[in-house]
Amino acid sequence: SAVISQKPSRDICQRGTSLTIQCQVDSQVTMMFWYRQQPGQSLTLIATANQGSEATYESGFVIDKFPISRPNLTFSTLTVSNMSPEDSSIYLCSVEEAGGIKETQYFGPGTRLLVL
Amino acid sequence: GQSLEQPSEVTAVEGAIVQINCTYQTSGFYGLSWYQQHDGGAPTFLSYNALDGLEETGRFSSFLSRSDSYGYLLLQELQMKDSASYFCAVSGVDSGGYQKVTFGTGTKLQVIP
Repeated sequence: SAVISQKPSRDICQRGTSLTIQCQVDSQVTMMFWYRQQPGQSLTLIATANQGSEATYESGFVIDKFPISRPNLTFSTLTVSNMSPEDSSIYLCSVEEAGGIKETQYFGPGTRLLVL
Repeated sequence: GQSLEQPSEVTAVEGAIVQINCTYQTSGFYGLSWYQQHDGGAPTFLSYNALDGLEETGRFSSFLSRSDSYGYLLLQELQMKDSASYFCAVSGVDSGGYQKVTFGTGTKLQVIP
């Protein structure tokens, strides 16, 4: 299984600012996924990041608000732009099992964001 | 689209057996997965069923019936550390024809002494 780290683990930000979350994997992976999870709620997929191409965003999420970079096969960033209190959430990155098995995903520890 | 239903909360006694059900709707079904998430922690993968039947991994088992669009997670010999949220996740095909994984709303399991 892949080992995933995220930075920062938590942050408190002022509205209108932006925060970039980093996700590092200990092995090369084709796809990385970014999720949002409100406390006590389910996981909502924001976007899928492929190395070398633009990220694919889910309905309700746009690139201007959540720009994603994927410079290589072990790293990705998600930026939460022009933040509002509604963006307060846990942001998780994940990767799928080797071989493209999306049904088996490994998650990072998450970034807990509070926007004031 | 894809949708899942699972109970929001379940309480069970230490040492007992508990079953968490999940029904789903999807197109182009690939499989059903289960994840465990402790408070403040990240989701961790438990099991995956692509075919009908029971998959056993230690104290945890997962069952799938594709004809009924139904699955369950069975936890045996419950321990206090099993108190967590359990998510089922269905892998299917979205409206754009791409494979997509959708998570259920989660079942919060409380194990009591």
